[in-house]
Amino acid sequence: GNSVTQMEGPVTLSEEAFLTINCTYTATGYPSLFWYVQYPGEGLQLLLKATKADDKGSNKGFEATYRKETTSFHLEKGSVQVSDSAVYFCALNQAGTALIFGKGTTLSVSS
Amino acid sequence: DAGVIQSPRHEVTEMGQEVTLRCKPISGHDYLFWYRQTMMRGLELLIYFNNNVPIDDSGMPEDRFSAKMPNASFSTLKIQPSEPRDSAVYFCASSFARDEQYFGPGTRLTVT
Repeated sequence: GNSVTQMEGPVTLSEEAFLTINCTYTATGYPSLFWYVQYPGEGLQLLLKATKADDKGSNKGFEATYRKETTSFHLEKGSVQVSDSAVYFCALNQAGTALIFGKGTTLSVSS
Repeated sequence: DAGVIQSPRHEVTEMGQEVTLRCKPISGHDYLFWYRQTMMRGLELLIYFNNNVPIDDSGMPEDRFSAKMPNASFSTLKIQPSEPRDSAVYFCASSFARDEQYFGPGTRLTVT
């Protein structure tokens, strides 16, 4: 069945460091891919999405590229801030199913 | 739009009591999802509805859990009787035509 695998956290970085959170997926066909972010005490918010191969989603300095050949959708940011500390979820959506989430990766950024 | 609205935000109850969580989806959305989040199990999909009809309830843990959607603007998740292991944050989310989901702020349930 369809599944999403994220790198385990927590990820601890200093402010202005480069961030990569790995995400790979298993699915038949061509799913849409998403990154959601959950700040402490809040619900999940959509961060970015890509709906077809080679699409790049971007928002708030974060980027992720839909790689069909490697079945990956890694999240990157060139310079993290303390305010980026949160839990990040990779997810996929394929026709006929609900969103399938990874287990989440906790990011902690210190000044 | 006010976004997805959930109530209550916090609920503390004793084991054996009935608990009802409420959700108002975003107007115009035709899908509604209930999730449970715990440290141990992460984010779990419990059930989802399309046009008020339950589509997949395979994630509902047991018969103590039930969910209804009597109309397009309201859904409930009920636990009866509640147990300490039901303690979690319960999220409701809605979407239009399987597009991205919008989450509510969650209900933090504590069963003592």
